[in-house]
Amino acid sequence: GEQVEQLPSILRVQEGSSASINCSYEDSASNYFPWYKQEPGENPKLIIDIRSNMERKQIQELIVLLDKKAKRFSLHITDTQPGDSAMYFCAASEDYGSSGNKLIFGIGTLLSVKP
Amino acid sequence: GPKVLQIPSHQIIDMGQMVTLNCDPVSNHLYFYWYKQILGQQMEFLVNFYNGKVMEKSKLFKDQFSVERPDGSYFTLKIQPTALEDSAVYFCASSLRGGPEVFFGKGTRLTVV
Repeated sequence: GEQVEQLPSILRVQEGSSASINCSYEDSASNYFPWYKQEPGENPKLIIDIRSNMERKQIQELIVLLDKKAKRFSLHITDTQPGDSAMYFCAASEDYGSSGNKLIFGIGTLLSVKP
Repeated sequence: GPKVLQIPSHQIIDMGQMVTLNCDPVSNHLYFYWYKQILGQQMEFLVNFYNGKVMEKSKLFKDQFSVERPDGSYFTLKIQPTALEDSAVYFCASSLRGGPEVFFGKGTRLTVV
């Protein structure tokens, strides 16, 4: 299968707390897992990604974890700010190299950070 | 950062008519994609395109759909004829190589009435 499940669909947190979004995938050939942030009226923007040769990656307040055995990956935003409020999409793909990168997306999580 | 431009942002069309969605990908990118997002659902892969050819298409890429990029101009998605179920937001994307980083446009909201 090629499904990517994403939970929760809506997440409300207080400013300064952390937010976690969880995704699971079915295709064991998946080896690339990007996260996109989409603000209203804007394009989805890549914020962080992880390849299957890593278990953890951090860029500033963003942490992604990958558990290949369980076929799960997650995004953690520490010290959330109102500017983090947006839709977040996880995705999985088998990086085909010369054949192109077909992304399978989760349904999205609407994160709302209250001041 | 690199930008993918999509024109128009909204399009309303009568069922059965033809529509062409235009995408101006990042200038040095070589791989181009279309994704479809129905309201409340995830973005779903339609097709990818490289070197003038469709590399892969999903079951959502019906016979009424076609893509092309004539002479390095816009990368287009044409639907002929349109059906009510084609109403969705269509996102264009591009990447420099086959992977991994893919850049998305803002989408074209297509409404078929």
